[in-house]
Amino acid sequence: QSALTQPASVSGSPGQSITITCTGTSSDIGGYNYVSWYQQSPGKAPKLLIYGVTQRPSGVSNRFSGSKAGNMALLTISGLQGDDEADYHCSSYTSGSTWVFGGGTKVTVL
Amino acid sequence: QVQLQESGPGLLKSSQTLSLTCTLSGASVSSGNWYWSWVRQPAGKGLEWIGRTDTSGGTYYNPSLKSRVTISVDTSKNQCSLQVTSVTAADAAIYYCARYTAYPMEAFDLWGRGTMVIVSS
Repeated sequence: QSALTQPASVSGSPGQSITITCTGTSSDIGGYNYVSWYQQSPGKAPKLLIYGVTQRPSGVSNRFSGSKAGNMALLTISGLQGDDEADYHCSSYTSGSTWVFGGGTKVTVL
Repeated sequence: QVQLQESGPGLLKSSQTLSLTCTLSGASVSSGNWYWSWVRQPAGKGLEWIGRTDTSGGTYYNPSLKSRVTISVDTSKNQCSLQVTSVTAADAAIYYCARYTAYPMEAFDLWGRGTMVIVSS
């Protein structure tokens, strides 16, 4: 299975909105609504941000939102803040009953 | 508070077998709609799903690692284990244990802190 494709880095100024893309295939993102996103601060374990394409776990800010269009999933961070600086990883269930992650995107707040 | 904690040797030599254990505290591995997974992250790189198991015996592996990996769960010890045979430098990474909560969440919602594995030649 191939890793999902994410941009290596995305940046934005405080208060702006940014969007991170995650591109897969019809065998993963395009075929299932089991896309999730994770935030990983330096030296820390990943933390679940979004599940089921659009759902936020309890305690996650509503500044984080997810969506999907065809074989691409998107994570939007609105009202960008300094502590949003982190790596963001997407994941999807696949037709082989396995899971696949993206390569991760580093978000920088300018 | 429910927590996962990985443990195991941090340094191995090429061709050896990596064995890691993940201990769940605050809950039972047998309860809930959970799968027990391992995910690894080489230095400076993205996450790689290794495989998952559950207490019903259903086990799935990343096709690229399937021939070398075994994941199992021990309900008596409330633990999940990972074995990777014939390790090489490419297996050096931080290894995370993660709980996957199935329907309706279908996501990795609880992670251990990770354990670093170094492979020397």
